[in-house]
Amino acid sequence: EAGVAQSPRYKIIEKRQSVAFWCNPISGHATLYWYQQILGQGPKLLIQFQNNGVVDDSQLPKDRFSAERLKGVDSTLKIQPAKLEDSAVYLCASSLAGAYNEQFFGPGTRLTVL
Amino acid sequence: GQQLNQSPQSMFIQEGEDVSMNCTSSSIFNTWLWYKQDPGEGPVLLIALYKAGELTSNGRLTAQFGITRKDSFLNISASIPSDVGIYFCAGQLSGNTPLVFGKGTRLSVIA
Repeated sequence: EAGVAQSPRYKIIEKRQSVAFWCNPISGHATLYWYQQILGQGPKLLIQFQNNGVVDDSQLPKDRFSAERLKGVDSTLKIQPAKLEDSAVYLCASSLAGAYNEQFFGPGTRLTVL
Repeated sequence: GQQLNQSPQSMFIQEGEDVSMNCTSSSIFNTWLWYKQDPGEGPVLLIALYKAGELTSNGRLTAQFGITRKDSFLNISASIPSDVGIYFCAGQLSGNTPLVFGKGTRLSVIA
């Protein structure tokens, strides 16, 4: 069974630029999560989707971050404009509907903002 | 907000030694999870605990859900080089609430 796929794996941008990350969850997983993991920290949930609807985006900085999951499968996370403090690994995870404690993580996208 | 305190932050051990790490919280969680993260990869679930006092094993790993529901520990017996990585605890209050992660314990194994 294929795991959670993310791209790109690495991205370097300058502050005030825009960036987008893509995630393809495990087939059949209705719930998709985006996490931000700053160096030396554990992952922090940014947004959670159930199919194509948002379940929780309370920790998403909505002035610059946006995410969508239009067809209930793939998802994109965008940052516009980026700040230096956005440098982090952005992890995507997925789970079966309702199985919030059995999340499978992708390899992440490491973002460096200069 | 809820915070999890993991200790130790890092540890260096000899191959073959046993390892113990723990996680404490100021508030109650009803599920405790332990993950391992290798460099350049996402966290992988090792053990999930669903009941206070529960003791669960997965090979050389053993984890316990504290009776107060405010703590958990993870033991690794007879460590091997591939145990190297960062171990995260995570707590969940209820089935549809977000996971709260600790800051991790970085384990290094000296052969």
